[in-house]
Amino acid sequence: NAGVTQTPKFQVLKTGQSMTLQCAQDMNHNSMYWYRQDPGMGLRLIYYSASEGTTDKGEVPNGYNVSRLNKREFSLRLESAAPSQTSVYFCASTPGGRHEQYFGPGTRLTVT
Amino acid sequence: QKEVEQNSGPLSVPEGAIASLNCTYSDRGSQSFFWYRQYSGKSPELIMSIYSNGDKEDGRFTAQLNKASQYVSLLIRDSQPSDSATYLCAGGNNAGNMLTFGGGTRLMVKP
Repeated sequence: NAGVTQTPKFQVLKTGQSMTLQCAQDMNHNSMYWYRQDPGMGLRLIYYSASEGTTDKGEVPNGYNVSRLNKREFSLRLESAAPSQTSVYFCASTPGGRHEQYFGPGTRLTVT
Repeated sequence: QKEVEQNSGPLSVPEGAIASLNCTYSDRGSQSFFWYRQYSGKSPELIMSIYSNGDKEDGRFTAQLNKASQYVSLLIRDSQPSDSATYLCAGGNNAGNMLTFGGGTRLMVKP
């Protein structure tokens, strides 16, 4: 099992550009999450999906959209990137009936 | 605002000593707690989970939970330089579908 995978690993965008961060898990987990991690701010939840076809906002959803494409895949889209979105983005997933989350390797995004 | 608080550190301990990491939480409805280890430039890795009051041991790691005091701790026995990392405490909400993370404690184990 690859666990949780994320692409790309690194990305540099100019202000106003758009991009989609991809996340996939092969553990048959029900819930999936997108976080951002900034120095001094810890991990903050952007969006989550409790199951295929459902998504909900987290603590910092502004400027982002998500799609739960199927049970395996959960993507995060930046429609018009801003320098404030420079961060490390982590995807995570949780098995059904459990609370612990398993993280992907992360995407380091820089917006200039 | 439900919060999980940790001392940012760094906590410095000599090799072979016990490292004690602490965390407090504000949500009395939290039922599950987790410790993650994060090496610099890497993703968080789950090392311990605890759901009940008391101690839970796994190898060199012991998690402790005191719900009355809203306090969670992680003890690392026989600390090794490879334990040097940031340790994140997380509490689950009552529904169990979200975690709130603390800011992390940086641990340095000196040879």
